[in-house]
Amino acid sequence: DVKVTQSSRYLVKRTGEKVFLECVQDMDHENMFWYRQDPGLGLRLIYFSYDVKMKEKGDIPEGYSVSREKKERFSLILESASTNQTSMYLCASKRLATTQYFGPGTRLLVL
Amino acid sequence: DQQVKQNSPSLSVQEGRISILNCDYTNSMFDYFLWYKKYPAEGPTFLISISSIKDKNEDGRFTVFLNKSAKHLSLHIVPSQPGDSAVYFCAASQGAQKLVFGQGTRLTINP
Repeated sequence: DVKVTQSSRYLVKRTGEKVFLECVQDMDHENMFWYRQDPGLGLRLIYFSYDVKMKEKGDIPEGYSVSREKKERFSLILESASTNQTSMYLCASKRLATTQYFGPGTRLLVL
Repeated sequence: DQQVKQNSPSLSVQEGRISILNCDYTNSMFDYFLWYKKYPAEGPTFLISISSIKDKNEDGRFTVFLNKSAKHLSLHIVPSQPGDSAVYFCAASQGAQKLVFGQGTRLTINP
């Protein structure tokens, strides 16, 4: 059974703080993804990674960075949190050409 | 540039009746389509998929139809049950590339 876990379910941060969101998958998947979900906008891709130390920008990378030092772990970093980054953040992973599996999500509130 | 569109933000259906969720896409290079289901405060879970070489795929109460000429896919749920109440996202990909998601449709099943 595929398991994708995210470090926090809920986070409250202040404007300007550096925020780390961690994602871990236990199925040796090559590909990992970070999305944000906002009402009426669906899931928008922030960054993705095809392999360790590799990263690609998604559709909305501004204000975010990522790190993939180990195959099972993909971190999303908000360098200086802003109120417009209040959102639900979803991590996902998959093997090549297979179904994408999501973690439970982190609801982030930036005050 | 919304390549995948779900034009109905919400849908309400009587328990036991058929639910039909629709999705349109613009990129003719998409060759794989998926539906995900999402409950509040949880990550999306994979429901059903279809390859562009098919026009129908069925899994229990769920059937996905693909009309390539119209660039349209639909998800049929029959009979609808209260536990089907959730947000449904359609998604599309080209090859083994990243998924592009629609905005989501909130389905409510009324008893």
